Amino acid sequence: QSALTQPASVSGSPGQSITISCTGTSSDVGSYNLVSWYQQHPGKAPKLMIYEVSKRPSGVSNRFSGSKSGNTASLTISGLQAEDEADYYCCSYAGSSTFYWVFGGGTKLTVL
Amino acid sequence: QLQLQESGPGLVKPSETLSLTCTVSGGSISSSSYYWGWIRQPPGKGLEWIGSIYYSGSTYYNPSLKSRVTISVDTSKNQFSLKLSSVTAADTAVYYCARQGTVTPYNAFDIWGQGTMVTVSS
Repeated sequence: QSALTQPASVSGSPGQSITISCTGTSSDVGSYNLVSWYQQHPGKAPKLMIYEVSKRPSGVSNRFSGSKSGNTASLTISGLQAEDEADYYCCSYAGSSTFYWVFGGGTKLTVL
Repeated sequence: QLQLQESGPGLVKPSETLSLTCTVSGGSISSSSYYWGWIRQPPGKGLEWIGSIYYSGSTYYNPSLKSRVTISVDTSKNQFSLKLSSVTAADTAVYYCARQGTVTPYNAFDIWGQGTMVTVSS
């Protein structure tokens, strides 16, 4: 099972919006509405930002939103702020006969 | 507030078995609402799901690691553990334990430990 495909890096200026893509296959992203997104600052543990494609956990800013079309999921961050600079990882359920989860390779977001 | 804390040796020799424990505090590991998982991150690289366990003992492993991984749970100690056998330098990573929702957040890892660095070297 291959990792989900994310761009290595994206960048944007404060106040702008950016979108990070996460491309899988019909066996994972395309088959289940079970995509989650994680933010990771250097030296820190990942933090859940989006689950079930587009749901936000309590306490996560509504500047973060998620969507999915076919085999590609997306994370959009609007009104970019300096503290959004971090690595972002997508994750999808990929099991059919057994439980299995696969992560993306990660995207480094730089706030210019 | 629920917290997870990994513990175990930071250095393991090649071909030996890596053993880590995750202690859950502030809540019960026996909740039917969660799985408990292990995820690792090699230096400078991305995240890899290793496996997950339910409080009943049901386990789910990454197929690429399945032959070397054993995850177990001790509900009396509110802990779950990871054993990875026949380690090589490629197993050097930060190892995280995390809570994974069976209800909400469904199938997502919502609470993580701080992570523990394990280096495989002679």
